[in-house]
Amino acid sequence: GENVEQHPSTLSVQEGDSAVIKCTYSDSASNYFPWYKQELGKRPQLIIDIRSNVGEKKDQRIAVTLNKTAKHFSLHITETQPEDSAVYFCAASKDDKIIFGKGTRLHILP
Amino acid sequence: ETGVTQSPTHLIKTRGQQVTLRCSSQSGHNTVSWYQQALGQGPQFIFQYYREEENGRGNFPPRFSGLQFPNYSSELNVNALELDDSALYLCASSFGLALETQYFGPGTRLLVL
Repeated sequence: GENVEQHPSTLSVQEGDSAVIKCTYSDSASNYFPWYKQELGKRPQLIIDIRSNVGEKKDQRIAVTLNKTAKHFSLHITETQPEDSAVYFCAASKDDKIIFGKGTRLHILP
Repeated sequence: ETGVTQSPTHLIKTRGQQVTLRCSSQSGHNTVSWYQQALGQGPQFIFQYYREEENGRGNFPPRFSGLQFPNYSSELNVNALELDDSALYLCASSFGLALETQYFGPGTRLLVL
């Protein structure tokens, strides 16, 4: 079945700098790649997603890139702000189920 | 708020007991997926219900079972509870199999002693 690896597990960046989180997946048939943000004690929330027929997608300060050949995808957050501090999960899916990575805890330093 | 609700919010059980968790989907959604999130881990897919039928299952034993009702609300049942079942249980509803419409509920935190 599908396996999703996510790195790093923890990331600290200075406020205003960029943060990059990387994920790899194993099933080449996966065709949907969402990213979720989970704040402490809250539910995961979808922040951006990409389908396999697209190489890059951007939404304000957040962008996702996908390399199908290498089976990896990345989340880029620019001009980081204190409210970006949270745990971020990548995920991969085909058809019905979404397989999540183990998460990256992002700390934004003042 | 997304409209997906879960009950109860917290629950404490002992080993060997049985538990039922409930999820009400967002209005207009007909698919419910259940996930188990252990502390410090990502959500793990348990199973999905679409139009009252199981439509996919993750790597969980048969003592994890579920139901979906005609109003698309859903239940997760876990029999013979084990200590490792302690986790946050999340349900998420979506419209059909359009996963980009998936919204999570707030979760039920289960502690097994």
